[in-house]
Amino acid sequence: EVQLVESGGGLVQPGGSLRLSCAASGFSFSTSEMHWVRQAPGRGLEWVSYITSSSGTKYYADSVKGRFTISRDNAKNSVYLHMNSLRAEDTAIYYCVREGCNRARCSFDYWGQGALVTVSS
Amino acid sequence: DIQMTQSPSSLSASVGDRVTITCRASQSINTYLNWYQHRPGKAPKLLIFGASNLQSGVPSRFSGGGSGTEFTLTINSLQPEDFATYYCQQSYSSLFTFGPGTKVDIK
Repeated sequence: EVQLVESGGGLVQPGGSLRLSCAASGFSFSTSEMHWVRQAPGRGLEWVSYITSSSGTKYYADSVKGRFTISRDNAKNSVYLHMNSLRAEDTAIYYCVREGCNRARCSFDYWGQGALVTVSS
Repeated sequence: DIQMTQSPSSLSASVGDRVTITCRASQSINTYLNWYQHRPGKAPKLLIFGASNLQSGVPSRFSGGGSGTEFTLTINSLQPEDFATYYCQQSYSSLFTFGPGTKVDIK
């Protein structure tokens, strides 16, 4: 069974930092590309960041570029999101997501349950 | 960056109704289009990939169509568990942007 389990969420003050972790199991993590997606209260889904299986390529949404860093440890089957200079608008549920490809079309086929990050003083 | 729009932003329907949601891309994305269902308190769920391919385990009342810049998600015979928010997503670029969502609620 595929599982993605996020941890590390919590309450942080504006300007602070937090690191989210996602532990993966049930699939070949080292060959899978991974993403983070978030949903702010009352808002829609927002793609946040992407990392290739080898960590060779990383992308970020403009809203987090320069503040967030994605990384992974294939030996630990884990992906991370390092969040710095946090703002109130970063308050959201953060989902760890696996990118799966079928018939040459890729999508987000497995999602974690999400980690809540609240940025408030 | 590719921008995605959806219409309507919300709709009210009854159990048994047929519902169609439209998604448009700011440039041609071929059939690099996915649909997700998101219920409150749950993780989003992949319904359709590649514009028209039903994800394994998803009921056949869900169907998708379109190519280029305009796409549709149709739900035939709406069931109580289908009341949720639906998002389209482009996978043409590696920045997998989502549409703003369409909330389907009970009339």
